[in-house]
Amino acid sequence: GDSVTQMEGPVTLSEEAFLTINCTYTATGYPSLFWYVQYPGEGLQLLLKATKADDKGSNKGFEATYRKETTSFHLEKGSVQVSDSAVYFCALRGAAGNKLTFGGGTRVLVKP
Amino acid sequence: DVKVTQSSRYLVKRTGEKVFLECVQDMDHENMFWYRQDPGLGLRLIYFSYDVKMKEKGDIPEGYSVSREKKERFSLILESASTNQTSMYLCASLTGSRNTEAFFGQGTRLTVV
Repeated sequence: GDSVTQMEGPVTLSEEAFLTINCTYTATGYPSLFWYVQYPGEGLQLLLKATKADDKGSNKGFEATYRKETTSFHLEKGSVQVSDSAVYFCALRGAAGNKLTFGGGTRVLVKP
Repeated sequence: DVKVTQSSRYLVKRTGEKVFLECVQDMDHENMFWYRQDPGLGLRLIYFSYDVKMKEKGDIPEGYSVSREKKERFSLILESASTNQTSMYLCASLTGSRNTEAFFGQGTRLTVV
């Protein structure tokens, strides 16, 4: 079945540092890929998505590129802020499925 | 603005009580989901529904049931609450189009004492 593996946290950074969170997946066909963010005490909200190979999703300074050859969708941000402290989830929606498969989540803490 | 609304942000219930968690979406989505989230365990799917009156077990259905009598509403029921069901519960909805994302409610933090 479909699966998503993302790096475990917590990841602790200083403000203005570069952030990367690795995400790899296993799926048949051509899934759609998503990054969600969860701020403390809240539900998940979509950060960005990519629906086909080589697509780049971007939002709020975050980027991720759908790499079919490496089955990856790594999240990056060039200069993080304290307000980026959150839990980040990588997810896929399979070609045949009507549900999302999530990675385990990565907690990011940005210190001033 | 699209919305998934969970009936409570915080709930405290006693062991053995029957607990209802309600979720309503206004996007006419076919698919709805209930997850629980615990530290170190990520999101775990409890049940989902792909149509009115239809339901499928997720990864951890034991101790839970669900009801979907109307398309916009999906209820999670704890028949007899136990302390190990203390958790954050998240509802989500999803349309049938493969390229679209799921929308989540704000979460219900349930404490069973």
